[in-house]
Amino acid sequence: DAGITQSPRHKVTETGTPVTLRCHQTENHRYMYWYRQDPGHGLRLIHYSYGVKDTDKGEVSDGYSVSRSKTEDFLLTLESATSSQTSVYFCAIRPGLAGNEQFFGPGTRLTVL
Amino acid sequence: TQLLEQSPQFLSIQEGENLTVYCNSSSVFSSLQWYRQEPGEGPVLLVTVVTGGEVKKLKRLTFQFGDARKDSSLHITAAQPGDTGLYLCAGGDSGTYKYIFGTGTRLKVLA
Repeated sequence: DAGITQSPRHKVTETGTPVTLRCHQTENHRYMYWYRQDPGHGLRLIHYSYGVKDTDKGEVSDGYSVSRSKTEDFLLTLESATSSQTSVYFCAIRPGLAGNEQFFGPGTRLTVL
Repeated sequence: TQLLEQSPQFLSIQEGENLTVYCNSSSVFSSLQWYRQEPGEGPVLLVTVVTGGEVKKLKRLTFQFGDARKDSSLHITAAQPGDTGLYLCAGGDSGTYKYIFGTGTRLKVLA
């Protein structure tokens, strides 16, 4: 158990509303990631963080913002949700650069109507 | 843009058969990971390979990293229904913190 939780696990919202997803880790790891998973696309990186207040964009960052004010929490915000953001969102942690591996949370299923 | 292509996309086989899943790219990776994902859950790491030509075995699963570190394969011997799932490869770049994921191979093993 890598000590990663995501909340909420399921959410249905309407187009145009703001949505925030939370990723929480108990392992005090430096690196955290947000991905989305869609059929036919695999996992695509949205944003990642390499430390408190240090974040950078991934390949599909448009429409998303992130914040990391504490080591243990990495928040993903959809400022104004669109139907194209309906997806399953996964958070991941990476123990260290040398370790290479990532460990994933259980996911959040988001539906934007 | 780095891409990882997996093949086949779908595979349905009978229990006891052998299979190989491929992960190919035109880019060089510093490491490559294989994950398995079951419905409603996050991917679970199976193995990491870092050296060109490296072979790792995990019970009935054999993983190989290509000599040029651009491709990898996953071979399952005598597949069992418990092997059913989505298999994902992911390439790591030592120059950044990012990973590139393949599109996945969905395996179904029939009893």
